[in-house]
Amino acid sequence: EDQVTQSPEALRLQEGESSSLNCSYTVSGLRGLFWYRQDPGKGPEFLFTLYSAGEEKEKERLKATLTKKESFLHITAPKPEDSATYLCAVNKGYGGSQGNLIFGKGTKLSVKP
Amino acid sequence: EAQVTQNPRYLITVTGKKLTVTCSQNMNHEYMSWYRQDPGLGLRQIYYSMNVEVTDKGDVPEGYKVSRKEKRNFPLILESPSPNQTSLYFCASSPVGYEQYFGPGTRLTVT
Repeated sequence: EDQVTQSPEALRLQEGESSSLNCSYTVSGLRGLFWYRQDPGKGPEFLFTLYSAGEEKEKERLKATLTKKESFLHITAPKPEDSATYLCAVNKGYGGSQGNLIFGKGTKLSVKP
Repeated sequence: EAQVTQNPRYLITVTGKKLTVTCSQNMNHEYMSWYRQDPGLGLRQIYYSMNVEVTDKGDVPEGYKVSRKEKRNFPLILESPSPNQTSLYFCASSPVGYEQYFGPGTRLTVT
């Protein structure tokens, strides 16, 4: 069964304390893995797309990496404004296009000043 | 401004009363999709559309209908809503193969 599991469910960090979020997946034929950020009461906001093992992408304090079975979202020296729920999704659609997406349940990150 | 809009944002209705939640995007995106988000279950895909007149089921399509007659619009139809369809609904759009832009959400309560 296709599945996406994120861990931990919740993570509390002090400002400046670096850490990583995990997304493990079991999908027959990965066609893209996506990271989103969601603030309370709002729609998810796109962060990264990764397509192949070994790929890495960075944006400000965030860095996403991908292996054959999991992805990590590394947060370096986080700030309170990084507090949000981070969602991982995998695509089991057609070719390189986003068809049927499966989302993990998310990791709720809290960064205290 | 490039955006995905949903209406209504909040809706309280009764069991069995047909309703439609509209979704519109102004970015000329081919791909559109509907999700529901429930505590403890996360975001689950209901239906998606790769282009006009092309729709397909996601993981939780039961009790929902969609249509894609125009590129910009992708309404979600609940013909006979039930309390288990109480949820937060999101519409999203994207160019095929690229990241999705999400709407602001519609909070639906069915009593």
